[in-house]
Amino acid sequence: QQQVKQSPQSLIVQKGGISIINCAYENTAFDYFPWYQQFPGKGPALLIAIRPDVSEKKEGRFTISFNKSAKQFSLHIMDSQPGDSATYFCAAGYTGTASKLTFGTGTRLQVTL
Amino acid sequence: NAGVTQTPKFRILKIGQSMTLQCTQDMNHNYMYWYRQDPGMGLKLIYYSVGAGITDKGEVPNGYNVSRSTTEDFPLRLELAAPSQTSVYFCASSRTPGTVSYEQYFGPGTRLTVT
Repeated sequence: QQQVKQSPQSLIVQKGGISIINCAYENTAFDYFPWYQQFPGKGPALLIAIRPDVSEKKEGRFTISFNKSAKQFSLHIMDSQPGDSATYFCAAGYTGTASKLTFGTGTRLQVTL
Repeated sequence: NAGVTQTPKFRILKIGQSMTLQCTQDMNHNYMYWYRQDPGMGLKLIYYSVGAGITDKGEVPNGYNVSRSTTEDFPLRLELAAPSQTSVYFCASSRTPGTVSYEQYFGPGTRLTVT
């Protein structure tokens, strides 16, 4: 049973455009929602994360929007750059235990010139 | 700090063979994890550990075993390798939840092919 659904599977955005990736979760007990960025041949790395007590978190060009009632959250990349081309994974987890994460299936982002 | 290191980077196994994937972290993290990544499937948790001597199953533990004798090392053992275990394996570590952050630090991965 997939608990975190991510879309789209792939995304092509022009340089300077806005990239938007969406995730939906089922388990209302989740209380930690990170996004990980993965470059080819590398392990994932934490990009930005949010707790459900806020609706938005911004770090530079990256913003998470969180809708608790809809059980959805999204990643917005403003002014997308070719260096942002990577695979992005959303995840959901519990902060109170072993921080076990359930990952989405990933979005391959390509930013073109 | 080297962070999380994994060996080997690549390995080809024949069906029925066994091997151990090595994982070491030098950040003094109590929590360690093993994931497998298959195309289009995201990362699935195989096993995790909350400290030396303590391990527990994740979402897809069948066909694997782990041990945690030290804080630094968390090896993953494959017994009787099967083609379904062809995947990229990632080890990760994190601080105790609630101390500073919940970030998991990933190693570079081991690409395993079973033929």
